[in-house]
Amino acid sequence: DTGVSQNPRHKITKRGQNVTFRCDPISEHNRLYWYRQTLGQGPEFLTYFQNEAQLEKSRLLSDRFSAERPKGSFSTLEIQRTEQGDSAMYLCASSVDYHTQYFGPGTRLTVL
Amino acid sequence: GNSVTQMEGPVTLSEEAFLTINCTYTATGYPSLFWYVQYPGEGLQLLLKATKADDKGSNKGFEATYRKETTSFHLEKGSVQVSDSAVYFCALSPPGNTPLVFGKGTRLSVIA
Repeated sequence: DTGVSQNPRHKITKRGQNVTFRCDPISEHNRLYWYRQTLGQGPEFLTYFQNEAQLEKSRLLSDRFSAERPKGSFSTLEIQRTEQGDSAMYLCASSVDYHTQYFGPGTRLTVL
Repeated sequence: GNSVTQMEGPVTLSEEAFLTINCTYTATGYPSLFWYVQYPGEGLQLLLKATKADDKGSNKGFEATYRKETTSFHLEKGSVQVSDSAVYFCALSPPGNTPLVFGKGTRLSVIA
């Protein structure tokens, strides 16, 4: 068990560019979650998958955001036409069904 | 709706002092309750959890008891160490729904 991994750990981009983050969950965890954490705040839920199905999306997930989990293993989160307000830590977590969620180290996005 | 309120930090304590971080929640039904810890530069780690009323979660000397009557889940430790310096997040998972709802976090600094 190697834990949840996320890549890249840091991303700096210019406003208007597209970015994609990857999350590899713990092996055999069927649920995968994305959260966003801004400075001084707790993580906020964005979306989650059970296997390859995206079951819920937060109202925080604007049309510029899209997430996929094509084979029920790793997931990608893409942000199109980035804005400065997208600067945050993007966290991924995984779990077995309703059980405890285990978090990755996060991807810190800075939009200039 | 579901929400978590934590005492605001930062909290600064001397080594071996007693720690309490207050957490109250609002939820429909009976959620599961969690404390996560975030050390500098790292992701969230589960510290402890409780899934029903009067359950006590404990780990690494930290304890929290699920109090339904006061809708609270206060974190305590009898003797803190410098290595406990981190940000602590209280969170809930609503029944039948897995995305976590987090408080804003409480930063703890322990000085020698």
